[in-house]
Amino acid sequence: KQEVTQIPAALSVPEGENLVLNCSFTDSAIYNLQWFRQDPGKGLTSLLLIQSSQREQTSGRLNASLDKSSGRSTLYIAASQPGDSATYLCAVYNNNDMRFGAGTRLTVKP
Amino acid sequence: EAEVAQSPRYKITEKSQAVAFWCDPISGHATLYWYRQILGQGPELLVQFQDESVVDDSQLPKDRFSAERLKGVDSTLKIQPAELGDSAMYLCASSLVGGSSYEQYFGPGTRLTVT
Repeated sequence: KQEVTQIPAALSVPEGENLVLNCSFTDSAIYNLQWFRQDPGKGLTSLLLIQSSQREQTSGRLNASLDKSSGRSTLYIAASQPGDSATYLCAVYNNNDMRFGAGTRLTVKP
Repeated sequence: EAEVAQSPRYKITEKSQAVAFWCDPISGHATLYWYRQILGQGPELLVQFQDESVVDDSQLPKDRFSAERLKGVDSTLKIQPAELGDSAMYLCASSLVGGSSYEQYFGPGTRLTVT
């Protein structure tokens, strides 16, 4: 059974810092990995989708990398802003099943 | 931009009562998913539909939960009777086709509180 772990569970940084969120998974035979953002009490917003054949994806200040062999993905956020404060979830897809991590709760202080 | 619609956004009910949630996926999306998210955890899949057919309901507590998508468009998730442990966020998502190549798009969720 696929298990997805996100470290750290919570992170607080001053505005302007570059930061990295980590996601690890136990079964490397994945089809894709997706990073989501979730604001308190709200649904999930898809940020980036990385197919298994890809190594990274970029969108604006966000860059996600994927290393299937080591079962890891990172989400890099450049020049963080208070508006980036949210919970970030990663999810991996294999065997017709999507498994989520518990998320990293990010706070960016002005 | 097309979005997944869900209603109600919030629901408070007493235990042993029945409750229902509605989801309207993005137009043209054949695959619809219902997830349950307990506070502080990631979402867990309850049921997946491909058009009007159930593809996966292995995690759905069938003694009290039911889901339907009669015309292959919108969907309803029902709980009867509700229990205290059902308090959670219920999220609906849709994708163009089921499978690995297609992103899932999520609705705003229904926050259920059982008292």
